[in-house]
Amino acid sequence: DAKTTQPPSMDCAEGRAANLPCNHSTISGNEYVYWYRQIHSQGPQYIIHGLKNNETNEMASLIITEDRKSSTLILPHATLRDTAVYYCIVSDLNTGNQFYFGTGTSLTVIP
Amino acid sequence: GAGVSQTPSNKVTEKGKYVELRCDPISGHTALYWYRQSLGQGPEFLIYFQGTGAADDSGLPNDRFFAVRPEGSVSTLKIQRTERGDSAVYLCASSLGNEQFFGPGTRLTVL
Repeated sequence: DAKTTQPPSMDCAEGRAANLPCNHSTISGNEYVYWYRQIHSQGPQYIIHGLKNNETNEMASLIITEDRKSSTLILPHATLRDTAVYYCIVSDLNTGNQFYFGTGTSLTVIP
Repeated sequence: GAGVSQTPSNKVTEKGKYVELRCDPISGHTALYWYRQSLGQGPEFLIYFQGTGAADDSGLPNDRFFAVRPEGSVSTLKIQRTERGDSAVYLCASSLGNEQFFGPGTRLTVL
């Protein structure tokens, strides 16, 4: 079962920052937080992952709270192509890194 | 470079038939994962290979489902006596570390 909870849907205006929250209150010390997105009819696409520290790459930033019980994915300047379902997953590489997806957040970027 | 490929992209079969779904992982990736995604749901973990061996098959729904990876590269998911409830998109992912790279999936329809 998924160990994360996310809001089912969100809207964001094009060009604005999209902030997608995720709760993972039962995360264990070895589990990483991963974010993937899925555009209709495609396989999930990796966005970013982190353990404790905040992370940034060319796609997004990941902010993890100090207690690691929640995180936020930030898309700094949302475009129409960012419309997708975003999944937050916690997983332990040491035990196989199997992903247990929830239902994700359906993000709609509005022109 | 080449990503994860899956064949066929679409498979239509009749109830009770046997099907095989193929996954070609990224070259050199030691870990391979199978997931199943029903409409409106997140992907559901089925089985995970580390090399040639199935390290975790706890997600397989019943004994009609079986997967192999005989040479530690290509994997085949096999479904016997298909049922209408098996209709879904079957996703494969490969990994060398934290990040899983997903293929485009095989859409299976059981009539």
